[in-house]
Parts: sequence; structure tokens; C-alpha cells
Amino acid sequence: QQQVKQSPQSLIVQKGGISIINCAYENTAFDYFPWYQQFPGKGPALLIAIRPDVSEKKEGRFTISFNKSAKQFSLHIMDSQPGDSATYFCAAQRGGDYKLSFGAGTTVTVRA
Amino acid sequence: EAGVAQSPRYKIIEKRQSVAFWCNPISGHATLYWYQQILGQGPKLLIQFQNNGVVDDSQLPKDRFSAERLKGVDSTLKIQPAKLEDSAVYLCASTPGTIGELFFGEGSRLTVL
Repeated sequence: QQQVKQSPQSLIVQKGGISIINCAYENTAFDYFPWYQQFPGKGPALLIAIRPDVSEKKEGRFTISFNKSAKQFSLHIMDSQPGDSATYFCAAQRGGDYKLSFGAGTTVTVRA
Repeated sequence: EAGVAQSPRYKIIEKRQSVAFWCNPISGHATLYWYQQILGQGPKLLIQFQNNGVVDDSQLPKDRFSAERLKGVDSTLKIQPAKLEDSAVYLCASTPGTIGELFFGEGSRLTVL
């Protein structure tokens, strides 16, 4: 069963716009929530991650918002650029077992 | 620092044939994973090794899939016999053992005809 539900499946945004991807989880044992970025023909690469003791984390144009009570977290890509066109996966991990459960992915297309 | 190496990058086989994929993790990484990524889906864990021992293989179809990690370093994933639904990218990842970042290889794309 899918432990992390991700939406939307795809989105198109204009250059300079904001991309928002949402994820939800059920297992309260998860305590690490990364986002991975994958370009065609490449493996996923860590983009940004958050732990549930903070509600927001920002790295450059990428921000994770985390709502522990709702068991939801989201990725915001500000000032989207054509180079951000990729598939983004949210994931969740339980402390100690290093096993990641991935969402289904969101394909982001940034139009110039 | 060299990344996770995988080979072959592409493989096309007929159903019921066998195939093997190889992975060389980042030096010193104790934990190694094999993920299956079907087109349009997120990666699904097949098996996790800690050094040369299996930590989790609960989602590995053991009637046709097998994996081993030799001397706690390289790993091979074998499929025999292959089915059409095995068409996917097989991703290898490793981690030094701290919670957090998995380092993925570029994957091996399998097409079963």
C-alpha cells in the first residue's frame, strides 16, 4: 500500500511562477520527510528535507511546509525556472531503519 | 567522490529470459538498496542490505527475483524468469548509515518483450 500520497500528478507553470506539490502520510512513526528531484535518465537526488519538529524549511527557491497535525507537507518552488522541469518525489522515513517510502511523483514543466 | 555505479544502463530481453544488474555503491556506504521504478510511479523498495546482510526483502518477489551483496560492497540483482510487468528502471542507492540522504545511481532500464 502507498504510505505517502502525492498530488498533483503533473503541473505546468510559467517561468517565474510558483509550483506547489502536496503530500500526505498516515504513519505517525515517520520522522524525516525529504523531497527528491529526478531528471529524465537520472536517478533521484535529494533536494531538501525536513523533520517534524519544524514547520518550514527554506533553501534558496525551495521551501518545505510541514503540518504535523494534518500529517501533510508540501514543496513550494518559487520563481520557477525552466531548469526546474523535472519529476519531484516526496518521501517519508522512519527513524532508524533508513527505508524511504516514496510518493508517486509530480512532473513539473516550467514554460519559458 | 565517485557516485553509485550501475550496469548495464539498458537491457532488452524476451519474457521468461533472465537478466542481472550490478551495482557498486559509494565507497564506505554500509547500506545498499535496490528500488524498482515503473514508468510514472515512485520508486518501490525491493531489498535493503546492511553490509552484506539483508535488512528488508519483504517486497522482493522471491519466486523470480534474487539479490546478493558480495563482501558488503558490490551487489547484483537477478530476475529469472522475467515477466512483462518487470519492465522498469532498477535503481541502486546507498547511504553511509545516517538517517537521511540516499545516493542513487542512474539506474538500469529493463524492457521485457
